[in-house]
Amino acid sequence: NAGVTQTPKFRILKIGQSMTLQCTQDMNHNYMYWYRQDPGMGLKLIYYSVGAGITDKGEVPNGYNVSRSTTEDFPLRLELAAPSQTSVYFCASSILQRGLGRDTQYFGPGTRLTVL
Amino acid sequence: AQKITQTQPGMFVQEKEAVTLDCTYDTSDPSYGLFWYKQPSSGEMIFLIYQGSYDQQNATEGRYSLNFQKARKSANLVISASQLGDSAMYFCAMREGTNAGKSTFGDGTTLTVKP
Repeated sequence: NAGVTQTPKFRILKIGQSMTLQCTQDMNHNYMYWYRQDPGMGLKLIYYSVGAGITDKGEVPNGYNVSRSTTEDFPLRLELAAPSQTSVYFCASSILQRGLGRDTQYFGPGTRLTVL
Repeated sequence: AQKITQTQPGMFVQEKEAVTLDCTYDTSDPSYGLFWYKQPSSGEMIFLIYQGSYDQQNATEGRYSLNFQKARKSANLVISASQLGDSAMYFCAMREGTNAGKSTFGDGTTLTVKP
């Protein structure tokens, strides 16, 4: 089990460029998430998905897009990168265990993105 | 309004002593879950402990325990017998209702364990 994997680990973008952050999980989790973490701060939810074909906005979705065509993959697309998108991006997954109430999120190692 | 508040930006504890990291939350939903995560300097997020709003007993996981006071809306993390490896950032998080998609994180507390 690899868990949650993210690529790339680091990336520098120029203002206005686009890129896709990849996220894959092999735990057959139905829920997947994208967060950003600015320096010294907590995580803010960008988008999440409750299953293939279903996505929804989180707290800070502007400037990002997502898709979920398979259970395993949840890529995050940045169009027209801006310096304000400089951050560490974490992908996570979880499985909602109804009745048990425990839906621990498993996190990937993060992608450090700098926009110059 | 902040849904998760961690009022201690930084904490120090002597090795082998216990330490409490504070977390208060705000929700009107009777069904919610509370989580604590550890983020060492290497950057990964590590799940520590979970407490459900309907759980009768406080959660424990090894040296970690959660002091859950529902009426006060607090979910403090207690680390017993601190170790040097416990030095890290600690985040409290909440998931409201049955929607596992919506989680809110606090701004974190940096814990430093002194030898």
